Amino acid sequence: GAVVSQHPSRVICKSGTSVKIECRSLDFQATTMFWYRQFPKKSLMLMATSNEGSKATYEQGVEKDKFLINHASLTLSTLTVTSAHPEDSSFYICSASAGKGTEAFFGQGTRLTVV
Amino acid sequence: QKEVEQDPGPLSVPEGAIVSLNCTYSNSAFQYFMWYRQYSRKGPELLMYTYSSGNKEDGRFTAQVDKSSKYISLFIRDSQPSDSATYLCAMREQGGGADGLTFGKGTHLIIQP
Repeated sequence: GAVVSQHPSRVICKSGTSVKIECRSLDFQATTMFWYRQFPKKSLMLMATSNEGSKATYEQGVEKDKFLINHASLTLSTLTVTSAHPEDSSFYICSASAGKGTEAFFGQGTRLTVV
Repeated sequence: QKEVEQDPGPLSVPEGAIVSLNCTYSNSAFQYFMWYRQYSRKGPELLMYTYSSGNKEDGRFTAQVDKSSKYISLFIRDSQPSDSATYLCAMREQGGGADGLTFGKGTHLIIQP
C-alpha cells in the first residue's frame, strides 16, 4: 500500500503554545487529506477534510480557528493546534487519498500531550 | 446522524479459535465498509475493504456485510497471538477519497497463546 508519513510521532508542549503536525504522502499525490482525533478507548473522530489548494472542511463541533489545517501541496498537509490546552491532549491521525475511487491510507499518528 | 456501534471488549480467545467481530450502524447511505487493525496507538492498518452487501475473503480473514440488517462482521480463522490488537470497523457513503470515514470504537482482541 501507499505510504503516509506523519511527524512528529510524539510531542509534549506547554499550555498556551502552538504545535504543528505534518502529514506527507511519500509515493503518491494526495488530493484529499483527512485529520482524525482519537481519545483513549474511543473511536477515531473525523475533524476535517482538506483538498489541495482549498480551505479545509471542518466537522461540526471542531473549532477551525483552533485547529488550523493547511494543504498547500499534493504531498503535504499540516495541522496546527493553536493555544494548546491540556484537553487538547490526544492522538491525532491523518490519512491521505489520491482522489475519488482510491482508498485513503493512514499515517502513524501523533501523540500530543499538553502540560 | 452517523453512528456506528461496536463492542469495545476486551475479547479474549485461545490461539487457533475463530474470532467474530461485529458492528452495527444506523445510516443506510453507507456503502463502503472497512476493517482496520490498530496496534498500540499506531495508525490504523487496512485489513478488508468491501462494497455493499456480500462476503469477501482474504487469507484467514473474511468480511461480511448485510446492508438489510445494517450489520457487518469480520471473521478471523486460526487466530494467532500476533492478531492481538484493536480492530476498528469503518464505513463511508461515497467512494474512497470523497469523504472521511465513520469509525466504530474498536474491539480490543486478545489471543491467548
